Amino acid sequence: AQSVAQPEDQVNVAEGNPLTVKCTYSVSGNPYLFWYVQYPNRGLQFLLKYITGDNLVKGSYGFEAEFNKSQTSFHLKKPSALVSDSALYFCAVDQAGTALIFGKGTTLSVSS
Amino acid sequence: DGGITQSPKYLFRKEGQNVTLSCEQNLNHDAMYWYRQDPGQGLRLIYYSQIVNDFQKGDIAEGYSVSREKKESFPLTVTSAQKNPTAFYLCASSMMVGGRNSPLHFGNGTRLTVT
Repeated sequence: AQSVAQPEDQVNVAEGNPLTVKCTYSVSGNPYLFWYVQYPNRGLQFLLKYITGDNLVKGSYGFEAEFNKSQTSFHLKKPSALVSDSALYFCAVDQAGTALIFGKGTTLSVSS
Repeated sequence: DGGITQSPKYLFRKEGQNVTLSCEQNLNHDAMYWYRQDPGQGLRLIYYSQIVNDFQKGDIAEGYSVSREKKESFPLTVTSAQKNPTAFYLCASSMMVGGRNSPLHFGNGTRLTVT
């Protein structure tokens, strides 16, 4: 079965420092991978996706993610965190064209 | 503006009552989804539909029902058989390209409280 794991419930970082939110996956075939962000009491917003090609994917709001096939990882990164980046982040994998499977989410807290 | 509309934003019901959550999209997307979100559990798939008049069970379909009579609409009914219905419900839609999902667009959710 395909699955996504986000090993950290919470990530704390100081404003201006780089941030990483981790994601590992288990899929058969070629994975389609996604990152989403959720603000309180709102739906999820799409940040970026990996389908094929360059392993470094750039997305919205300065976020990027690195696809690593050998480590089956798709970590979300940002060179310089902002307080406004504080939110709940979800990694997801496309389950062979049926529906997206989501990880449990990681709360990012950026302190000023 | 194109998007997904979920209504109502907050819903309160007594135990034993069925309740229907509305989801409408004007994005001309083929596929629509219902997810349930509980603290610390991420999003869990309830039902999804990739074409009109057809839908598939997700991981936690028990106690829920759906219909897809129109491309734009995918209402979810939470029945009295759902043992723990209090949750945040999210509807989403996507285009299917080459048999794979494009990024999902989400509504702003309905928070259901059953007492």
